[in-house]
Amino acid sequence: KQEVTQIPAALSVPEGENLVLNCSFTDSAIYNLQWFRQDPGKGLTSLLLIQSSQREQTSGRLNASLDKSSGRSTLYIAASQPGDSATYLCAVFQGAQKLVFGQGTRLTINP
Amino acid sequence: NAGVTQTPKFRVLKTGQSMTLLCAQDMNHEYMYWYRQDPGMGLRLIHYSVGEGTTAKGEVPDGYNVSRLKKQNFLLGLESAAPSQTSVYFCASTGQGGNQPQHFGDGTRLSIL
Repeated sequence: KQEVTQIPAALSVPEGENLVLNCSFTDSAIYNLQWFRQDPGKGLTSLLLIQSSQREQTSGRLNASLDKSSGRSTLYIAASQPGDSATYLCAVFQGAQKLVFGQGTRLTINP
Repeated sequence: NAGVTQTPKFRVLKTGQSMTLLCAQDMNHEYMYWYRQDPGMGLRLIHYSVGEGTTAKGEVPDGYNVSRLKKQNFLLGLESAAPSQTSVYFCASTGQGGNQPQHFGDGTRLSIL
């Protein structure tokens, strides 16, 4: 059974810092991996999707990498801003496009 | 551009009552999903559908039923609500091909007393 783990569970950093969020998964037979953002009381917003054949994807200040062989993905956020404060979730695609989610990293950016 | 719309947004039920949660998407997506999100448990898949008229069980299907009579709608039913079903329910949809992101609604916050 696929298990997805995100470390740390919570992270607090001052504004302007670059930071890395980690995601690991136990079964490397995935189609792709998706990073989401969730604001309090809201649904999930898709940030980046990395295909299994890709190594990384970039969108603005966000860069996500994927290493299938080691079962790891990282989300890099450059020049963090208070508006980046949210919970970040990673999820892996497995069969019939079912997503298996990690429990998320709650990120706080302090002004 | 509505995307994925869930109704209602909030609901309080008494144990044993029934209700239906509605999910509608306007992106012509084939695949639709119902998840529940609980503290410490993350998001778990309840049921999903790969096309109109089809449904399948996810990780935690017990106590729920679903229907996909129209491509744009996916209904989640609770026949006899239990306190353990208190949760936030999310609907999501995506297109075919395995290379498209899932789009989520804003959730339905359901309390069972």
